[in-house]
Amino acid sequence: EAGVAQSPRYKIIEKRQSVAFWCNPISGHATLYWYQQILGQGPKLLIQFQNNGVVDDSQLPKDRFSAERLKGVDSTLKIQPAKLEDSAVYLCASSLVGQVVTKNIQYFGAGTRLSVL
Amino acid sequence: AQSVTQLDSHVSVSEGTPVLLRCNYSSSYSPSLFWYVQHPNKGLQLLLKYTSAATLVKGINGFEAEFKKSETSFHLTKPSAHMSDAAEYFCVVSEGGSQGNLIFGKGTKLSVKP
Repeated sequence: EAGVAQSPRYKIIEKRQSVAFWCNPISGHATLYWYQQILGQGPKLLIQFQNNGVVDDSQLPKDRFSAERLKGVDSTLKIQPAKLEDSAVYLCASSLVGQVVTKNIQYFGAGTRLSVL
Repeated sequence: AQSVTQLDSHVSVSEGTPVLLRCNYSSSYSPSLFWYVQHPNKGLQLLLKYTSAATLVKGINGFEAEFKKSETSFHLTKPSAHMSDAAEYFCVVSEGGSQGNLIFGKGTKLSVKP
């Protein structure tokens, strides 16, 4: 089966510019996650969707970050305006949803590496 | 609050020798624990998972991990390292349920010398 697709793979912008990332999850996966991975650290969850609804966005910096999943399939993550500290890899993941945790394995895309100059 | 601590930021082994990557966790509930591997410029891949069944968990590529509740540890091992094992490894905890939020450790970079 096809994996989680993300684009672009790399993006370089100047601070105060805006940028958007796109993610297409594995077909049939209802849950979609965006993570931020700063160099030298593990990924940190930014936002979780179940279908087109937000389940958890407690760690999303809402003054500059936004995300949507309008049709419950693909998703976009936007940063406006970008800051130097937003330089990171942005990972998208998807999973099946169920009450049994073994179904909740998350599958990750290759990520988008953002450099803010 | 749940958390994981990976005790080594960098581990270096020779090809053919055993691998040990150490992880301690903290969780208020009965946790689910995972190890993910990240090769350069590639996505995270699940190596293995523990979800309250057998305490010794076997994963892909010859890796295994043992859940020790008394020590709050979930160390990753492999009997014989291969050059292709060189990557970043993340220990992850989840309190499960339908949300299944994952909390990642900071990672251990494994280097394999010929």
